[in-house]
Amino acid sequence: LAKTTQPISMDSYEGQEVNITCSHNNIATNDYITWYQQFPSQGPRFIIQGYKTKVTNEVASLFIPADRKSSTLSLPRVSLSDTAVYYCLVGFHGQNFVFGPGTRLSVLP
Amino acid sequence: ETGVTQTPRHLVMGMTNKKSLKCEQHLGHNAMYWYKQSAKKPLELMFVYSLEERVENNSVPSRFSPECPNSSHLFLHLHTLQPEDSALYLCASSLGSTGGEGYTFGSGTRLTVV
Repeated sequence: LAKTTQPISMDSYEGQEVNITCSHNNIATNDYITWYQQFPSQGPRFIIQGYKTKVTNEVASLFIPADRKSSTLSLPRVSLSDTAVYYCLVGFHGQNFVFGPGTRLSVLP
Repeated sequence: ETGVTQTPRHLVMGMTNKKSLKCEQHLGHNAMYWYKQSAKKPLELMFVYSLEERVENNSVPSRFSPECPNSSHLFLHLHTLQPEDSALYLCASSLGSTGGEGYTFGSGTRLTVV
């Protein structure tokens, strides 16, 4: 399983764009990159998944450089309700993903 | 609501009690999972069921006993737990036999062992 490294915590202010970068230097050819969001006392929620270049949905964008050794989750114009833990997972469609400690994002007014 | 329902939401039990956690999904998913999340720790995968068959057991103590009677229901039977077993227990499901296509989690059961 590819190991991931992401910042333990980040602070931002309402209305700002937040970028959370995840390093996965030993990502394999078949691996996808998936991000989840977790609020306190709730289960994680799937945000976005990608393989290369850029993926965008109604919630976030995922940027993956050509070497795929890192990825960046971009949250446009965050609000207080985006305060949560964000997990970066790497793996392929045939294995169980392992959750790391994630990045605790605090959005301040 | 995510489509994965867990009951009860909160549970307090003594160390000699026997209780069960229930998880239900009607998403048509083929795999179901139990995760444990202790305070300030990452999620720990406990059990994986694929098409009602247990495919993974991550060295979980025998005081936790899973049961998957069909692809929509998953139980976690608890007996003689320890205070350190207090945690948020999360159930998840996925379409494929693993979580590669994305997990759908329930809201969890907050368990306190006294």
